[in-house]
Amino acid sequence: DSGVTQTPKHLITATGQRVTLRCSPRSGDLSVYWYQQSLDQGLQFLIQYYNGEERAKGNILERFSAQQFPDLHSELNLSSLELGDSALYFCASSGGRSGRNEQFFGPGTRLTVL
Amino acid sequence: DQQVKQNSPSLSVQEGRISILNCDYTNSMFDYFLWYKKYPAEGPTFLISISSIKDKNEDGRFTVFLNKSAKHLSLHIVPSQPGDSAVYFCAAYDLSNSGYALNFGKGTSLLVTP
Repeated sequence: DSGVTQTPKHLITATGQRVTLRCSPRSGDLSVYWYQQSLDQGLQFLIQYYNGEERAKGNILERFSAQQFPDLHSELNLSSLELGDSALYFCASSGGRSGRNEQFFGPGTRLTVL
Repeated sequence: DQQVKQNSPSLSVQEGRISILNCDYTNSMFDYFLWYKKYPAEGPTFLISISSIKDKNEDGRFTVFLNKSAKHLSLHIVPSQPGDSAVYFCAAYDLSNSGYALNFGKGTSLLVTP
């Protein structure tokens, strides 16, 4: 158990819809990262938050957004969903001011867009 | 643009023998490397890491070797055990370009047979 929790575990929705994925980092970790794992791809970095502020951005679509709340949990919002958005979405967290520590991953949310 | 490459999608090794998983990278700015292990339906689990100022790091049965001139790293598991059967991901930090975002390879599926 990494200490990172993600809800829901599975999500099935239709094209055009909007969903919210939730992540709670390990106790004391200030950084939260979101990654997407599609069928033929490795894990692709989407976005990082550090103590409530956006720190780094990867290949995140404009239809996707995220935020980190004062209690440090984070939400990833996916809107106008397309079939190609079906993937595993992982949240990770790390601690320390530099953020340069090992990242610990949650169990993931499997999103299926029909 | 895949900056971290794991060219062997799968590897089969007998129990008790050495498993060697390889990883190549193209970005010379990478300065911290990690290996993650992933079981089906779970998030990646951190295994071992190495800084670019070192060429070897050991943790129990796991050793990571880094050859900066060749832009190559490898993970050695000795002795291999059936419980090691999983997908192994190589990852690296590119601090100058995308902060603390991890760049992942596509993974190598290791099967350890009794």
